[in-house]
Amino acid sequence: AQTVTQSQPEMSVQEAETVTLSCTYDTSESDYYLFWYKQPPSRQMILVIRQEAYKQQNATENRFSVNFQKAAKSFSLKISDSQLGDAAMYFCAYRSGYGQNFVFGPGTRLSVLP
Amino acid sequence: NAGVTQTPKFQVLKTGQSMTLQCAQDMNHNSMYWYRQDPGMGLRLIYYSASEGTTDKGEVPNGYNVSRLNKREFSLRLESAAPSQTSVYFCASSEARPTVVYGYTFGSGTRLTVV
Repeated sequence: AQTVTQSQPEMSVQEAETVTLSCTYDTSESDYYLFWYKQPPSRQMILVIRQEAYKQQNATENRFSVNFQKAAKSFSLKISDSQLGDAAMYFCAYRSGYGQNFVFGPGTRLSVLP
Repeated sequence: NAGVTQTPKFQVLKTGQSMTLQCAQDMNHNSMYWYRQDPGMGLRLIYYSASEGTTDKGEVPNGYNVSRLNKREFSLRLESAAPSQTSVYFCASSEARPTVVYGYTFGSGTRLTVV
């Protein structure tokens, strides 16, 4: 079974600075997808970024980018120019290319300091 | 653009009571899911429905039942609530195509407390 690990339960960053959230996963599959979801205090789950395992190029979405290291099974999220609205719980998630379901990590709570 | 609608948003039950959490999506998605979120454990899959007329167990199905009423609606039922079922419940839906994997669209969650 696949597992997703987020080793940082909590992180903090100064406004306008850059922060990187770590995620590692374990799988024996070759076809899979990785995601980062953001959960602000409103509780709504919001998709931040998505990466296909077969793509070598790291995904980017505005201030959000990933560092995808397939051999190391690592999928970190970098947030540049952090804003107060980035404060949230961030979940890393794995989805098999063969199945229906996501496997979520335990989450990292990010605080943004003014 | 409603997306995924969950009701209710909050609920308090006494041990042994039953209730049904409702979920509806208006995006014509084939697949729907129920997750529970507990502190330090991320989201864990309870049940899912890959398509209308099918349901399958996820990681933590004990104590729950589901019904895929039609393509839009997927309900989760607690027959006899227990304090261990205190959690935040999320419904989600997803498109399912053979060569593309999409992310989920989530509902806003239901905070359930069983006393």
